[in-house]
Amino acid sequence: GEEVAQTPKHLVRGEGQKAKLYCAPIKGHSYVFWYQQVLKNEFKFLISFQNENVFDETGMPKERFSAKCLPNSPCSLEIQATKLEDSAVYFCASSQWWTGDGGTEAFFGQGTRLTVV
Amino acid sequence: AQSVTQPDIHITVSEGASLELRCNYSYGATPYLFWYVQSPGQGLQLLLKYFSGDTLVQGIKGFEAEFKRSQSSFNLRKPSVHWSDAAEYFCAVARSSNTGKLIFGQGTTLQVKP
Repeated sequence: GEEVAQTPKHLVRGEGQKAKLYCAPIKGHSYVFWYQQVLKNEFKFLISFQNENVFDETGMPKERFSAKCLPNSPCSLEIQATKLEDSAVYFCASSQWWTGDGGTEAFFGQGTRLTVV
Repeated sequence: AQSVTQPDIHITVSEGASLELRCNYSYGATPYLFWYVQSPGQGLQLLLKYFSGDTLVQGIKGFEAEFKRSQSSFNLRKPSVHWSDAAEYFCAVARSSNTGKLIFGQGTTLQVKP
């Protein structure tokens, strides 16, 4: 598709429940990024993929958070045993890679708002 | 470590007035620089980007930004603001040799007075 599609738009989970978010990148884009936006600001990088391979997971909490990008499936971000502080908007972005002149850019989806109660 | 600072948390301008949003970055080499806009309940839309070359870059919606290496700045400007420009503006940096991950500033909220 021509846009990054994230589902669901809203997700409410009780503390301790599992949350799973999905992201379909733009067709032809090899790289997928997940960001967490807490409150209204403060974007935090979580993880990126190059096709189905983890590319950079330096921002990923080691416990409870996991992500996958499998061939012919939307990418997913899963949070096991959600906590109140996981409440945030989770954005997915996709891009082609950096060319020699850095001509690519990341396109963002609309986000999934996760509320943990 | 890389960082991005947007010194102004909130700015109010009158419609038709000029606008400048400040962005300073900390990075050892020339980074890739971006300005994104976020309208309420929406994702991020890229306004413009700087990778190399001409330090004055033109973007969408009449925005421009100037990269000043000596000041480690990438300020966003618009000569005449429209009410529809009210939104959150984020400056971001990516390392040119890295994974494409973006480091964002804290954002600036722009309010436009009629």
